[in-house]
Amino acid sequence: DTAVSQTPKYLVTQMGNDKSIKCEQNLGHDTMYWYKQDSKKFLKIMFSYNNKELIINETVPNRFSPKSPDKAHLNLHINSLELGDSAVYFCASSQDPGYNEQFFGPGTRLTVL
Amino acid sequence: DAKTTQPNSMESNEEEPVHLPCNHSTISGTDYIHWYRQLPSQGPEYVIHGLTSNVNNRMASLAIAEDRKSSTLILHRATLRDAAVYYCILRDMYNFNKFYFGSGTKLNVKP
Repeated sequence: DTAVSQTPKYLVTQMGNDKSIKCEQNLGHDTMYWYKQDSKKFLKIMFSYNNKELIINETVPNRFSPKSPDKAHLNLHINSLELGDSAVYFCASSQDPGYNEQFFGPGTRLTVL
Repeated sequence: DAKTTQPNSMESNEEEPVHLPCNHSTISGTDYIHWYRQLPSQGPEYVIHGLTSNVNNRMASLAIAEDRKSSTLILHRATLRDAAVYYCILRDMYNFNKFYFGSGTKLNVKP
């Protein structure tokens, strides 16, 4: 069983479009995250939710909106996609916000043309 | 934000030990030292973490300098599967959202 899964794995779209990436974890964790890994491979946290509530919101354009319908899901919706949004997006989860081990999903490679 | 410095790349032979260094001279007393690795085309994977004392788990060992300004991740017997980018990260135990990955060390394991 996949612990943290993301869909889709690849996403190619045109500038200006709106797209969503879905994430699900079956570990029973309370906390979920979204990370962005750019072309230089730097990995940066974007958001974190704990028990469906936003607890971390790094400096991210408001075109990015996370949504957590329940503890097991954290989706990322992106409006008006720009070229600079092209990256690999990783979802992760942990037992609680302070827990040291985070479990990452396989990533979604977003390409904006 | 406390920063870490790692060599860009290292090479090892299969079945030999590997010592991956990390410098964190601005570490604060409440920073945990974390190591994650990222295999090609996969998400990062937790390896180990520690605060002051050396730590061992099934994957690796973490040796922390007495002044905590540096640490070393030790893979006791490298396998081809250990070829990955290894990230050394500091995370404040009271401000846990500050969790920044640096550029990491790309480990190449030769058969």
